[in-house]
Amino acid sequence: EAGVAQSPRYKIIEKRQSVAFWCNPISGHATLYWYQQILGQGPKLLIQFQNNGVVDDSQLPKDRFSAERLKGVDSTLKIQPAKLEDSAVYLCASSLLAGPDTQYFGPGTRLTVL
Amino acid sequence: EDQVTQSPEALRLQEGESSSLNCSYTVSGLRGLFWYRQDPGKGPEFLFTLYSAGEEKEKERLKATLTKKESFLHITAPKPEDSATYLCAVRGGGSNYKLTFGKGTLLTVNP
Repeated sequence: EAGVAQSPRYKIIEKRQSVAFWCNPISGHATLYWYQQILGQGPKLLIQFQNNGVVDDSQLPKDRFSAERLKGVDSTLKIQPAKLEDSAVYLCASSLLAGPDTQYFGPGTRLTVL
Repeated sequence: EDQVTQSPEALRLQEGESSSLNCSYTVSGLRGLFWYRQDPGKGPEFLFTLYSAGEEKEKERLKATLTKKESFLHITAPKPEDSATYLCAVRGGGSNYKLTFGKGTLLTVNP
């Protein structure tokens, strides 16, 4: 069974530029999560989708971050404009359903903002 | 607000030297405590889920236990390939079932 796919794996941008990350969850998984992991920290949830609807985006900085999950499968996370403090690894995870189901993580995208 | 504290931040062991990692938590209505392993440059890899105090789960050299306030990840006779960051997370009783992670314990096992 294929795992969660993410691209790109690495991205370097200047501050105030925009960037987008892509995630393809495990086939059949209804719930998709985006996490931000700053160096030395645990992952922090940014946004959770159930199919193509948003369940929780309470920790998403909505003035600069946006995310969508069209057709309830792939998802993109965008940052515009980027700040230095956005340097982190952005992890995508998916689970079969919400609730007690295990979340499976992709390899992440390492973003460096200069 | 759910909180997770892991200790120690880093642990260095010799191959074969058993030890334990600690995860202390506060959560409103525990709906699961999760252990993940994360290798450098990779996403977290699922290890265990524990749901109630007294529950234990094992996988190879790892055993996870749970009390009402903390969880332990016991590593028996570790090997160098067990070197990784071990993350603990809790899921509370909120409607969105989100995970709250600790900062992790960086384990290094020397041959």
